Amino acid sequence: EAGVTQFPSHSVIEKGQTVTLRCDPISGHDNLYWYRRVMGKEIKFLLHFVKESKQDESGMPNNRFLAERTGGTYSTLKVQPAELEDSGVYFCASSQVRGEEGYTFGSGTRLTVV
Amino acid sequence: LAKTTQPISMDSYEGQEVNITCSHNNIATNDYITWYQQFPSQGPRFIIQGYKTKVTNEVASLFIPADRKSSTLSLPRVSLSDTAVYYCLVGVSTSGTYKYIFGTGTRLKVLA
Repeated sequence: EAGVTQFPSHSVIEKGQTVTLRCDPISGHDNLYWYRRVMGKEIKFLLHFVKESKQDESGMPNNRFLAERTGGTYSTLKVQPAELEDSGVYFCASSQVRGEEGYTFGSGTRLTVV
Repeated sequence: LAKTTQPISMDSYEGQEVNITCSHNNIATNDYITWYQQFPSQGPRFIIQGYKTKVTNEVASLFIPADRKSSTLSLPRVSLSDTAVYYCLVGVSTSGTYKYIFGTGTRLKVLA
């Protein structure tokens, strides 16, 4: 069974540019989460999809961040325009049923805004 | 929003038992406590999950007191390869909002 795949693994962009991160969850997993770890700080929740619907997006830092999950399969997280403080590692995770099993995480996308 | 806190770092020697505690005062009443291990450049990897009392699997044990406001991950006889960052993950319900919160992470260093 393929795990959670994130692309790209690393992205370096200039301030003001746009970047789109992609997450492919495990097939059949309705729940998809995005988390972010800014350097030196703990991992923070960004948002939660159930299929194609945003269940909770209270962790999204501001309106420069847009997440989508068209068709309830893969998800994208777009940052536009990127700022220096957006640098960090963005993790995606998926699960079949919330809380009843551990989540499977992707390896993360390391975003560096210069 | 209450934080889910862990000790920042711990050192141990090979063969010792390591206990890492996570404090989670605002844990939701009906959700699990999960622990993850993370190596550099990798995503967090599931270790163990429990709801209350004690859970044991082939790699760790998880102790959860009756009030569930904390949990302790126990790693028996650690080896050098257990050097990693360990996170707890809990569901938190505050002001009508429900979300999952990672602990602050504990960097475990196992020495020879």
